[in-house]
Amino acid sequence: GAVVSQHPSRVICKSGTSVKIECRSLDFQATTMFWYRQFPKQSLMLMATSNEGSKATYEQGVEKDKFLINHASLTLSTLTVTSAHPEDSSFYICSAPQTGGYGYTFGSGTRLTVV
Amino acid sequence: SQQGEEDPQALSIQEGENATMNCSYKTSINNLQWYRQNSGRGLVHLILIRSNEREKHSGRLRVTLDTSKKSSSLLITASRAADTASYFCATESNNAGNMLTFGGGTRLMVKP
Repeated sequence: GAVVSQHPSRVICKSGTSVKIECRSLDFQATTMFWYRQFPKQSLMLMATSNEGSKATYEQGVEKDKFLINHASLTLSTLTVTSAHPEDSSFYICSAPQTGGYGYTFGSGTRLTVV
Repeated sequence: SQQGEEDPQALSIQEGENATMNCSYKTSINNLQWYRQNSGRGLVHLILIRSNEREKHSGRLRVTLDTSKKSSSLLITASRAADTASYFCATESNNAGNMLTFGGGTRLMVKP
């Protein structure tokens, strides 16, 4: 089946640095990628939607200059957390719709800890 | 923002028992999907039920959808310890583009 490979799975960074998270679609083309954030014991909250070759669409309250999204190819979307702060520590997950309308494929998630 | 609520928030049962989780949503939908998430991992798609369907089965999973009540239920029969995970419902609707809107999730613990 369709697989979305997400890396890194865990990252610890210092405040003020930037972290890039990659999601690659394997064996299928992802024209759209959704980026979510999940705090402990909470549900997934959509941050932004990236579309290949165009600007990402951000949800209300999500700073586009802080969470940079790039979707330069049909198989790769990246989320860069810039100037990270401890409150950005969270679990970030990407997902892409499966063809044929049979649900979505999720990456395995990235646990970001900002110290 | 979240589309709906899941009930219960947490459920603890013995192996072999059935587990029922409920999901309510607010707007009209194209379909409703159930996902499973093991702790600290990504989500795994379990089952999708379309708005014109009322019930769907997949192995030990049974999903119902009542669009008049804007609610869905997920039943896991003959539960196993390996079913321990968080379960989320998510809706897809025309007025939300192609994106999924998630419920709050149910944390299921199956004791051996």
